[in-house]
Amino acid sequence: DTAVSQTPKYLVTQMGNDKSIKCEQNLGHDTMYWYKQDSKKFLKIMFSYNNKELIINETVPNRFSPKSPDKAHLNLHINSLELGDSAVYFCASSHRQSYQETQYFGPGTRLLVL
Amino acid sequence: GQQVMQIPQYQHVQEGEDFTTYCNSSTTLSNIQWYKQRPGGHPVFLIQLVKSGEVKKQKRLTFQFGEAKKNSSLHITATQTTDVGTYFCAGGLQAGTALIFGKGTTLSVSS
Repeated sequence: DTAVSQTPKYLVTQMGNDKSIKCEQNLGHDTMYWYKQDSKKFLKIMFSYNNKELIINETVPNRFSPKSPDKAHLNLHINSLELGDSAVYFCASSHRQSYQETQYFGPGTRLLVL
Repeated sequence: GQQVMQIPQYQHVQEGEDFTTYCNSSTTLSNIQWYKQRPGGHPVFLIQLVKSGEVKKQKRLTFQFGEAKKNSSLHITATQTTDVGTYFCAGGLQAGTALIFGKGTTLSVSS
């Protein structure tokens, strides 16, 4: 069974569209994250949720809206997509909200905005 | 903001050569983690170091945490083609903050 899963794996869309990426973890973890990895492989945290509560919200355009219906799911909705949004988006989870916890990453969603 | 610097950004070696990537922080870290991302894959946890001066080994991989807890290194002895990928360090600063990832070192190995 996949520990952290994301859908879709690939997403190709036109500029201006709205899209969502879904993430689920079956590890029983309390904390989930969204990361953005650009073409240079820089891995940057976007959001962190602990037990459905937003904990970390880095400087991300408000076109990005995370939503956590329960602690096993963290979805990412992106409005009015721009060319610069093209990247790989990774969902991750950790047992607790602690900088000492191992993070388990999903397989990534490769987003290409045309 | 807080940063964790990692060098080099890229490294190419011949199979059998050694490889080292370095991670530096301007502030004292509470812990450091290392992750490996294979091409087309996702980051996978390798190890965590917590104590000052700590050294841990995993087969051909040796991880060190500096005495001042501001730097760390990953050394691979006798690289193999399976070592190809990007290695990230990630530093933990304090409670309530997220891990800060370095920009990674991408290793390529030719046989």
